[in-house]
Amino acid sequence: GEDVEQSLFLSVREGDSSVINCTYTDSSSTYLYWYKQEPGAGLQLLTYIFSNMDMKQDQRLTVLLNKKDKHLSLRIADTQTGDSAIYFCAERSGSARQLTFGSGTQLTVLP
Amino acid sequence: DAGITQSPRYKITETGRQVTLMCHQTWSHSYMFWYRQDLGHGLRLIYYSAAADITDKGEVPDGYVVSRSKTENFPLTLESATRSQTSVYFCASSEGDRLEAFFGQGTRLTVV
Repeated sequence: GEDVEQSLFLSVREGDSSVINCTYTDSSSTYLYWYKQEPGAGLQLLTYIFSNMDMKQDQRLTVLLNKKDKHLSLRIADTQTGDSAIYFCAERSGSARQLTFGSGTQLTVLP
Repeated sequence: DAGITQSPRYKITETGRQVTLMCHQTWSHSYMFWYRQDLGHGLRLIYYSAAADITDKGEVPDGYVVSRSKTENFPLTLESATRSQTSVYFCASSEGDRLEAFFGQGTRLTVV
């Protein structure tokens, strides 16, 4: 079945850029997403990208997609302490409505 | 209040007991989902529903039962709880071609 992988932890200094990486195996993935989960809360959609795009920028967030390598990344510019959270990569294939999630990356922003 | 709500937020139950987690959404979204979140596994899909009276298994359905008699409700029942079902459970909904799935706050279930 489909598999989505992420590294578990990332620490950065406040003001630096953060880059969270994700790899997936399903070549038929049509949409790829980044969700943010703050402590004790549900998941909140940050951004998404269609598989026919290779980059999407939204304020401090930049998503890069390398479809050939099945690699997705989320760059957060000028990372703030409020960005500390777990970030999940997810993919959706074809007409399916359900998402397949990675294990999540715990981002810690150090002052 | 509009949105998706789960109840209870926290639940402790004993092994072998039946427990039902509730999920209610006010948007009349067609699709609803149940995920469980475990450390190192991310979110795994238990069951989902495309509409009232239509449900389908996800990645980890064993030990769980769902129903969808009304569009707005999607309860998840653990028929005989086991310790391996200790987890955080998330309900989500989405509509048609919309890309975004909206998540509830989660239910933390502990089976002792």
